[in-house]
Amino acid sequence: QKEVEQDPGPLSVPEGAIVSLNCTYSNSAFQYFMWYRQYSRKGPELLMYTYSSGNKEDGRFTAQVDKSSKYISLFIRDSQPSDSATYLCAMGLQTGANNLFFGTGTRLTVIP
Amino acid sequence: EAGVTQSPTHLIKTRGQQATLRCSPISGHTSVYWYQQALGLGLQFLLWYDEGEERNRGNFPPRFSGRQFPNYSSELNVNALELEDSALYLCASAPGANVLTFGAGSRLTVL
Repeated sequence: QKEVEQDPGPLSVPEGAIVSLNCTYSNSAFQYFMWYRQYSRKGPELLMYTYSSGNKEDGRFTAQVDKSSKYISLFIRDSQPSDSATYLCAMGLQTGANNLFFGTGTRLTVIP
Repeated sequence: EAGVTQSPTHLIKTRGQQATLRCSPISGHTSVYWYQQALGLGLQFLLWYDEGEERNRGNFPPRFSGRQFPNYSSELNVNALELEDSALYLCASAPGANVLTFGAGSRLTVL
């Protein structure tokens, strides 16, 4: 069983839709949860960073962590064509970025 | 402020050859991480360097190696290239735990 499972998609939505991206994980020791966005031919860029459980909102983006279900989500409201990218979830143990485990990424296309 | 820079952008090699990839971290960052992103797989942790020392390595064979220079730039070497080494190699730097800033990557193709 992989440490982190993520549906690869692809996912296509019309502009303005609400997008829900999800990851599940198996290691209950994970404490840090992140979402990265990766445009084509670019490196991943950090979108959201959450420690432990709960919600975090930043503009049109909301990250949710449910540690009891080992499930994290990223919601994108009022999706825009510029949101078209691959979204990677990542999670880490308490010590250091070398302990980050990434999902395979979900490719999202927002259709104008 | 310049981000993490990687070179070359693309590299084509044949089986058995050696590849060298380079990374310059963000100014002030002392830690450099290397990840492999192969098609259909998530980012796989390769190596972590901090203050010139290798601090940790992922589950990769010894033919993947590297070093960090006094100016904190880093080099990843892959010896005896195999077809399955074809991937995007990402370098990231960090000022502290968990907050990685990635470069655009070096795409290695092994023929």
